[in-house]
Amino acid sequence: SQQGEEDPQALSIQEGENATMNCSYKTSINNLQWYRQNSGRGLVHLILIRSNEREKHSGRLRVTLDTSKKSSSLLITASRAADTASYFCATDGQNFVFGPGTRLSVLP
Amino acid sequence: DTGVSQNPRHKITKRGQNVTFRCDPISEHNRLYWYRQTLGQGPEFLTYFQNEAQLEKSRLLSDRFSAERPKGSFSTLEIQRTEQGDSAMYLCASSPVGAFYNEQFFGPGTRLTVL
Repeated sequence: SQQGEEDPQALSIQEGENATMNCSYKTSINNLQWYRQNSGRGLVHLILIRSNEREKHSGRLRVTLDTSKKSSSLLITASRAADTASYFCATDGQNFVFGPGTRLSVLP
Repeated sequence: DTGVSQNPRHKITKRGQNVTFRCDPISEHNRLYWYRQTLGQGPEFLTYFQNEAQLEKSRLLSDRFSAERPKGSFSTLEIQRTEQGDSAMYLCASSPVGAFYNEQFFGPGTRLTVL
């Protein structure tokens, strides 16, 4: 089974609201990354958090990592329609492993 | 150089035929990765090169799949005797020198349809 598992599978919110996605993984990691994929496009790296970090910010993104619970969360504040995409967490376990993703829809 | 490029962008083939995809990574990126992505799923790791050396292969990579990176620059992924189950998006990514599993830069992918 895949190392990373995102939750929820799908999320629909109104523009301006915050969106929170969670990722759980199974084995020890060195770092965890979040990627975004717009429909029909390639993946774009959003943020990387190392195993010795607990929180990281980048613009409207906030990522947390709890290695004791083997989980991470991605918060997108003040969402925009352009944030509509699939979001994946990726961990560096045995291989570089992506979860199945959270499909975020931001409604105008 | 504006990013990772992949060719072709789309490939339709008949079952049993061989197909080859090409990936041109970002210049000076010594690591190159291949992934497969099916609809509604995340990318699945296939294989990884550091320069010309293929260092890791997934169990997903059956003997019908072969990848090369002969000069440590571009890479090719060949699928022999294609099956309908091979239909997917094939993604290539590259990353610069540094700690393993750095940020990866993805290409647009090659969508394969096997009829």
